[in-house]
Amino acid sequence: GAVVSQHPSRVICKSGTSVKIECRSLDFQATTMFWYRQFPKQSLMLMATSNEGSKATYEQGVEKDKFLINHASLTLSTLTVTSAHPEDSSFYICSAPVTAGLGTEAFFGQGTRLTVV
Amino acid sequence: ELKVEQNPLFLSMQEGKNYTIYCNYSTTSDRLYWYRQDPGKSLESLFVLLSNGAVKQEGRLMASLDTKARLSTLHITAAVHDLSATYFCAVDPRGAQKLVFGQGTRLTINP
Repeated sequence: GAVVSQHPSRVICKSGTSVKIECRSLDFQATTMFWYRQFPKQSLMLMATSNEGSKATYEQGVEKDKFLINHASLTLSTLTVTSAHPEDSSFYICSAPVTAGLGTEAFFGQGTRLTVV
Repeated sequence: ELKVEQNPLFLSMQEGKNYTIYCNYSTTSDRLYWYRQDPGKSLESLFVLLSNGAVKQEGRLMASLDTKARLSTLHITAAVHDLSATYFCAVDPRGAQKLVFGQGTRLTINP
């Protein structure tokens, strides 16, 4: 199956600093990628859709100036958490859709555990 | 507002027993997904159910979909400890892989 690689897997940062998370499609091209957030013991919530060569689209309630998304190539999307605060501590997961055979399926990265201290 | 509701949210069971997790969703969706998540890990795809009446089985897990009832089930047969994890169902109402997830069912299987 398709492979989506996310980096780093864990990051600890100080409050007020920015953190960049990378999501790469290793063996396919992804014009679209999705970013989800998962708070402890909760479900995944879609934050935004990353579009190659154009602006990301954000779900309601997600601050676009705080969560900067860049999708500069067909294999890489980045999520930058700017001026991070402890309430931004969460598990961030990216996914990329792959169309083959019976239809389209999402493949997920390994996730990034962000802890803001 | 689209809702995806799983039942139960917590399930503790003994090895060797059978049980079913239910997933109800409130809007039309042609396909439904089941995922497994281990603590601190990302999602592992278990099943993709593409049409009404679809049934898929892998080992001790079997999933089914009733699109008319907007209901999917994940059945566990003769549970073993290794199946302990959190299980999520998800639907794709916009058809663009923008998934809406259920709350998750935390399954603990005791020896």
